[in-house]
Amino acid sequence: QVQLQESGPGLVNPSETLSLTCSVSGASITSYYWTWIRQSPGKELEWIGHIYYSGGAYYSPSLESRVSISLDTSKSQFSLKMSSMTAADTAVYFCARHLRIGVNDRGALDIWGQGTTVTVSS
Amino acid sequence: QSVLTQPASVSGSPGQSITISCAGTSSDVGRYKYVSWYQQHPGKAPELIIYEVNSRPSGVSDRFSGSKSGNTASLTISGLRAEDEADYYCSSYANGITYVFGSGTRVTV
Repeated sequence: QVQLQESGPGLVNPSETLSLTCSVSGASITSYYWTWIRQSPGKELEWIGHIYYSGGAYYSPSLESRVSISLDTSKSQFSLKMSSMTAADTAVYFCARHLRIGVNDRGALDIWGQGTTVTVSS
Repeated sequence: QSVLTQPASVSGSPGQSITISCAGTSSDVGRYKYVSWYQQHPGKAPELIIYEVNSRPSGVSDRFSGSKSGNTASLTISGLRAEDEADYYCSSYANGITYVFGSGTRVTV
């Protein structure tokens, strides 16, 4: 059974950098694309970025100046760093796996973590 | 601010069919087959119900179906049930780089 689990601070000070980790179990981290998504209190979902171990990372144009996603194959984890946090970044942050059928990525997210709430406040 | 436009709410009676639209542009929905739909119940993570416009993952009811015409994708739920009451989001590959989500639709049964 594939499981994803987000971990990180629930509270971040304004202007600081958020660091979140997603731990993957039950699937090879080198075989899939992995994604970070967030959901604001208003409930809109926002694609932050995604990564593949041999293909680099891709980011939302609106966030790419502040975001970095990396992958640690030895720990079966991938991570999100987001700098210059403001109150507008307060959200539930999800990690997720891309659906793969055969050798092809299907551009959809079939396994999600439970999400972790991040509040930006002093 | 969401890139794909969905109606804020759709309602129907048990047994009826409803359709949720997802309006994009020629740079996302209109260009790629990678349109997907997610169902989200309160306090839970979204769940994939449709991928590649009209394909269902294993275990998803055939009451859910997807389609696309031009820059607009649609999700139809037939034989509406109480457990279908949830929020629904569309998503599309965009600009050859990233993905975008819809604004979300609250379905009331």
